[in-house]
This record gives sequence, structure tokens and C-alpha cells, in this order.
Amino acid sequence: GENVEQHPSTLSVQEGDSAVIKCTYSDSASNYFPWYKQELGKRPQLIIDIRSNVGEKKDQRIAVTLNKTAKHFSLHITETQPEDSAVYFCAAAPTGTASKLTFGTGTRLQVTL
Amino acid sequence: DGGITQSPKYLFRKEGQNVTLSCEQNLNHDAMYWYRQDPGQGLRLIYYSQIVNDFQKGDIAEGYSVSREKKESFPLTVTSAQKNPTAFYLCASSPRGSDYGYTFGSGTRLTVV
Repeated sequence: GENVEQHPSTLSVQEGDSAVIKCTYSDSASNYFPWYKQELGKRPQLIIDIRSNVGEKKDQRIAVTLNKTAKHFSLHITETQPEDSAVYFCAAAPTGTASKLTFGTGTRLQVTL
Repeated sequence: DGGITQSPKYLFRKEGQNVTLSCEQNLNHDAMYWYRQDPGQGLRLIYYSQIVNDFQKGDIAEGYSVSREKKESFPLTVTSAQKNPTAFYLCASSPRGSDYGYTFGSGTRLTVV
């Protein structure tokens, strides 16, 4: 089955700096890659996703890049703010009605003032 | 509250007891999922269901059971066979497989006493 590795496990940046979180996956059939943000004590929420027919996707300060050849994808957050502090999870899945998401182990991002 | 409700928020189980966690959604989603969240281990799939009256084991199904008698409901029973049940349990749903992203419930924190 699919295996998703995520790095780093913790990341501390100063407000205004950029943050990058990287994930690798093992199953070449995977072609859907969402990112979730989980604030302390709350449910994970989808913040951005990318499908394999696209190499990059941006939404305001958040961007995701995908390299299918190398089987890795990354989350980029620019101009970080204190409210970006949370745990971020990457995930991967093949498309199709029988597919299911395999999650990475999470990255705890701390944005300091 | 996002259309997917988990109850209770906190649950305490004595050794040898079975307990059932509730998950209800009013999003008309076909697929529902149960994940277990432990510190440093991300989200691990317990069971999932793509359609009423059908469900499949995930990566860590041992000691758990589910049913899917209604589209809206996907309860999870943690049996006495689960030796280390203390964890945060998240239910999720999606419209059709997982390539449309999940909507998560707010979770149930289960503690063995």
C-alpha cells in the first residue's frame, strides 16, 4: 500500500518568513495530494490540494508543488503569521471511488513573533 | 458544525469494556472513514465505507468494529480486544472516494481508566 513520509516533524519560523514542508510517497498510482491544517484541539481542515495533472497550485499565501517523477510534493507558506501555527498533514491517494487517503505523520509549525 | 458530528467529545473506558463512538453526517456523502490519531504518528486508517452496508478494514482494524446501516451514520466500536485504545478518534466523510477531500468531525478523545 501507499506510504507517505513527511519532514520536518517540527518547524519554527519567525513571523513574516516562509515555511516549507515536504512529503514523499511510494505508490506511483497516487494522483491526489491534499494538505490539512489542524489547530490545537480542533479538527483537521483541508487547506489546499493538487492533482497529478498539475505541477503547482497557489492560493494566496499557500502553494503546493508536485514532482511526480521524484514522488514528492511540498507545501509552501509565505509571509507566515501567528495564526499559521498548527500541525500540518500531507496525504496521498489514487483517484477513484475505492480510494482512501494515506496521511503523513504531521509537521508542527510554530510561528514566533 | 461542518455537517459531521462526533459524540461524545470525551469518553472513558474501563478495562474489558466495549465502547461505541458515534459519527453522523448530513452532507449526503457516500464515503465515511475512521482514523486514529496518536502523537507523532499522524492519522492511521481504522475502517472505511464507500456505500451503505459495505465497509473495509484499514491499516489498524484489529480490536475495532463498524457498521454502516444508514448513509448518514458510521459508528465505531472499540472492543476489549484493542489493547491500547487511548487515542483521539476522527471520523471523516467525502462525496465520492477520497479525491474530493475529506470533511472531518471534531473528534472523540478516548481514555482507558
